[in-house]
Amino acid sequence: DADVTQTPRNRITKTGKRIMLECSQTKGHDRMYWYRQDPGLGLQLIYYSFDVKDINKGEISDGYSVSRQAQAKFSLSLESAIPNQTALYFCATSSRDTYQPQHFGDGTRLSIL
Amino acid sequence: QKEVEQNSGPLSVPEGAIASLNCTYSDRGSQSFFWYRQYSGKSPELIMSIYSNGDKEDGRFTAQLNKASQYVSLLIRDSQPSDSATYLCAVKGNEKLTFGTGTRLTIIP
Repeated sequence: DADVTQTPRNRITKTGKRIMLECSQTKGHDRMYWYRQDPGLGLQLIYYSFDVKDINKGEISDGYSVSRQAQAKFSLSLESAIPNQTALYFCATSSRDTYQPQHFGDGTRLSIL
Repeated sequence: QKEVEQNSGPLSVPEGAIASLNCTYSDRGSQSFFWYRQYSGKSPELIMSIYSNGDKEDGRFTAQLNKASQYVSLLIRDSQPSDSATYLCAVKGNEKLTFGTGTRLTIIP
């Protein structure tokens, strides 16, 4: 089983719909992250959480919200989806250790028509 | 100036040759450095970590770090077609991990 699990893996929806992407991890990490990646471009940080009560905006938080339901669960919501939010979304986790990397889930491919 | 910059690419290398990927960073306080490989449509996969000046080797991969020059590189020896991917440099410091935009590498058979 994957250490960082994202659901759904693929989603097609319509403009204006509310969408939730979920991430769960079994790595025991405190820190969780949501990224967006557009074709041919780099990773853009949407939100990050250092623990259940510590949630922070990233570079591109407008139009998104998050919820850290437990240490192991971090969900991303699009309250009213728009076509330019079509992208590949990744969840990642890390420990507090400065010398440890982030570990990524398999991603959610989201298409908004 | 971007915080983490990589060769813009794309980079094409013949099979069996050495591929050299470069990355510079702006924060002198950065403490740890990572290389991720990302196949098209897939998630980034960690391939190398380096923390101290010098070289670190793992199989066909060698990471090189020079903190004075704020430079980190990845060498891939005996390049294989399966090495064709985008390589992301990531730099960590002050609780923050910053990614470069990646270099697309193509290995030509």
